[in-house]
Amino acid sequence: EVQLLESGGGLVQPGGSLRLSCAASGFTFSNYIMSWVRQAPGKGLEWVSSISGSGGTTYYADSVKGRFTVSRDNSKNTLSLQMNSLRADDTAVYYCAKLSSGGWYFGLDVWGQGTTVTVSS
Amino acid sequence: DIHMTQSPSSLSASVGDRVTITCRASQRISDYLNWYQQRPGKAPKLLIYAASSLQSGVPSRFSGSGSGTDFTLTISSLQPEDFATYYCQQSYTTSYTFGQGTRLEIK
Repeated sequence: EVQLLESGGGLVQPGGSLRLSCAASGFTFSNYIMSWVRQAPGKGLEWVSSISGSGGTTYYADSVKGRFTVSRDNSKNTLSLQMNSLRADDTAVYYCAKLSSGGWYFGLDVWGQGTTVTVSS
Repeated sequence: DIHMTQSPSSLSASVGDRVTITCRASQRISDYLNWYQQRPGKAPKLLIYAASSLQSGVPSRFSGSGSGTDFTLTISSLQPEDFATYYCQQSYTTSYTFGQGTRLEIK
C-alpha cells in the first residue's frame, strides 16, 4: 500500500525553527516528485514547495522562499522540510504529497495525514 | 503567479442533485488543471487530473471539463459522501496554486 506519514510538527515560538519529515512506503520513492502543501486553520490549501525525484530541482512559494528548505533522502525514502524564521502565519497543517506518474503536471495523487505546526509565543 | 478563482464559494444541494463548480485561471493554462475533494479533518483526495481525466478509483459521477482559463467539475448525482470541500489546482507552472475552495453542503 502506498503511504506517506508526516512527523515533526509541534508548537514553536515566532522566529524559531522546526523540521518536518515524511516517510514514504509502497512505491519507488526516488522516481517521484514530492511536494509540501499546507492548510491554515479554517482556510484553503496552499502549495509550499516541491522537489524533483533526484533532489536536484526545488521550487518554493514566495511566502516561504529563503526561510524553508525542502530535501529528500532517497536511500531512506524520506522527504524533509526545514522551516526557519517561523512566523504566526506559518501556523497550519502541513501535508506531504506525491506527484502522479505524469510528472509535474498531473496532480498530487497520494497525501499523508498531515502534521500540525503552531507558531505562537 | 497564476490566480485561481472558484465559484461559488459555497453551495447547498440535495442528494441526487446535479452540481457544477467552476474554476477560472488568471491566464491560460491549457488543460493543466486538477480537482480535489477534502472531507473535514481529512487530507485532500485527487478526483480529476488534466482537466477531464478521472483518477483511478473515483466514481464516474464525477467529471471535469474545460481548457484555457475556464474549467468545471460536475457531480452528476450527489451522494451523501460527496458533501465536502472541493479545490481546483493549476499545474501549468511549478508554482502550483489552488482555488479558494467550494464548500458543498447538504440542503
